[in-house]
Parts: sequence; structure tokens; C-alpha cells
Amino acid sequence: KQEVTQIPAALSVPEGENLVLNCSFTDSAIYNLQWFRQDPGKGLTSLLLIQSSQREQTSGRLNASLDKSSGRSTLYIAASQPGDSATYLCAVREVLTGGGNKLTFGTGTQLKVEL
Amino acid sequence: DGGITQSPKYLFRKEGQNVTLSCEQNLNHDAMYWYRQDPGQGLRLIYYSQIVNDFQKGDIAEGYSVSREKKESFPLTVTSAQKNPTAFYLCASGFRGVSSPLHFGNGTRLTVT
Repeated sequence: KQEVTQIPAALSVPEGENLVLNCSFTDSAIYNLQWFRQDPGKGLTSLLLIQSSQREQTSGRLNASLDKSSGRSTLYIAASQPGDSATYLCAVREVLTGGGNKLTFGTGTQLKVEL
Repeated sequence: DGGITQSPKYLFRKEGQNVTLSCEQNLNHDAMYWYRQDPGQGLRLIYYSQIVNDFQKGDIAEGYSVSREKKESFPLTVTSAQKNPTAFYLCASGFRGVSSPLHFGNGTRLTVT
């Protein structure tokens, strides 16, 4: 059974700092990995999607990498801002035996960027 | 604006009552999903549907039911058989196939007392 782990569970950094969030998964038979942001009491906003054949994806100040063979992904946030404060979730896409596919989620890293 | 709409945002029910959560999307997505989120746990899949009139159980389907009569709609009913229904429920949708990202609604927080 796939298990997704995110470390650290919580992180507090001063504004302007570059930071890395980690995600690991136990079964490398994934199709892609998606990073999300969740603000308190809200739904999930998709940040980046990395296909299994890709090594990294970039969007603005965000860069996500994927090492499928070792079961790891990182989300790099450059020049952090207070508006980046949120919970960041990673999820891996798996195909289901009954057809269809699903995302399996980690428990998230709660990020606080302080002035 | 295209998107996924979940309603209501907050829902309160007495124990023993069934309750239905609404999820509508206008993104022309084929697949729709229901997830449950509890504090300290990752999102867990309840049910999913790849096409109209077809749906499959996820990891924690007991005590829940769904229907998919229209492509745009995938309502979730939380029945009285669900032992711990209080949670944050999230609906998602995407195109069929594994390459497309999933998009999520803003969630419904259900409290059962």
C-alpha cells in the first residue's frame, strides 16, 4: 500500500528565505506527483504537476523535483513571502486495479513565513 | 468562470440523519472524486466516478453513497451508518487518464452532533 510522508510537519521561516519541503513515497510505480497548497478552511490549489518521466517543473518562485526511483520529491520556494504561509501537500497518482486512478496524499507541511 | 462548486460551505446535522453534499463542475471533466480530510491525516478517497452512471468505492466508502446522473454533478450522501461523519469533505475533478491534474473545490465542513 502506498504511503506518502512529508517532512517537516511544520516550518517557520523569516521572510526572504529560500526553503525546501520534502515528500517521500514508498511505491515508485506512480504516474505523476502533484503539489498543492491549502489555506485554512479552504480547498486545495494545484501548484505543480510532475509526470513520472520528468525530473522537475518550475512555476515562478516554485520548483519541484522528482526522483521516482528513490521515492522522493522536493518543493523549493525561493524568496519566501508572508503570503506563502499555508499548508503544502504532495500527492502521487496511482492507477487502481478496478480501473481509474487516484491521488494518495501526504499529511502536509504547515509553513509560516514571518515578517 | 470555470470551476468546482461545493455547497454548502458549512453543514450541521444531528446524529442519525442522512445528509447530502453537493459538488458541481463546469470544467467538462469526466472524472470526479470525493475525499475526506481529518486533522493530522492525509486526504482519504471515499468514492470516484470516471463516467456518467458509473462510480467506484475508494478506501473509506463505508457509510457513504454517491450518484453520477449528470457529468457535471457528483453528490455525496453521508448516511447514519457512517460512524465518524464530522470532517472536511473535498470534491475534485479531472480529465480521464493519469496525465491531467486534479482540481479541487473549496470543501464542505460537516459537523454532526
